[in-house]
Amino acid sequence: EPEVTQTPSHQVTQMGQEVILRCVPISNHLYFYWYRQILGQKVEFLVSFYNNEISEKSEIFDDQFSVERPDGSNFTLKIRSTKLEDSAMYFCASSDNGQGVQPQHFGDGTRLSIL
Amino acid sequence: AQSVAQPEDQVNVAEGNPLTVKCTYSVSGNPYLFWYVQYPNRGLQFLLKYITGDNLVKGSYGFEAEFNKSQTSFHLKKPSALVSDSALYFCAVRPYYGGSQGNLIFGKGTKLSVKP
Repeated sequence: EPEVTQTPSHQVTQMGQEVILRCVPISNHLYFYWYRQILGQKVEFLVSFYNNEISEKSEIFDDQFSVERPDGSNFTLKIRSTKLEDSAMYFCASSDNGQGVQPQHFGDGTRLSIL
Repeated sequence: AQSVAQPEDQVNVAEGNPLTVKCTYSVSGNPYLFWYVQYPNRGLQFLLKYITGDNLVKGSYGFEAEFNKSQTSFHLKKPSALVSDSALYFCAVRPYYGGSQGNLIFGKGTKLSVKP
């Protein structure tokens, strides 16, 4: 069964540095998402992306964050000038339907640790 | 504000007994409802969904869930629990926004522990 893959599995970064989290969505999916899960808390929506532009974003997704689909397979989340509170598990998801009828398929996540 | 509630942080069940993991929601319109499971150090794995139709939906690994519109609930159930069902379970709701792109609102998760 096709999977969403995320790299790296664990990223350790100094506070203030930039980090790029990478995701390869399922190949025939057109809708892409980033979520985060701070340790012990609920999974929170960050951003959705379709047709090379952001469809929707949460209040968490401020100017510090950006997303990009640099080629036909990758979907990246960039966090500029990282802060301690950015430490979390970041999940990428994809779906083949933007109306929510089909489930979103999640990757195993990238654990981001800011020191 | 739109929200999903999972009132139990943890549910403990003996193997072979039935299990229920509760979920209630407060969102606008006719939402789409999902259950996901998360095993340690893994991502969220889709279990089942309710979109429309029969209120009882069946999913992976013998799980099922019952949609109750009047109680705005979508409880996850399984007739006979297995030790391997032990994991973190998330209820998620996609509010009805018409033509929007369908982000999910998650509950805080319920840890299911099945003892032999």
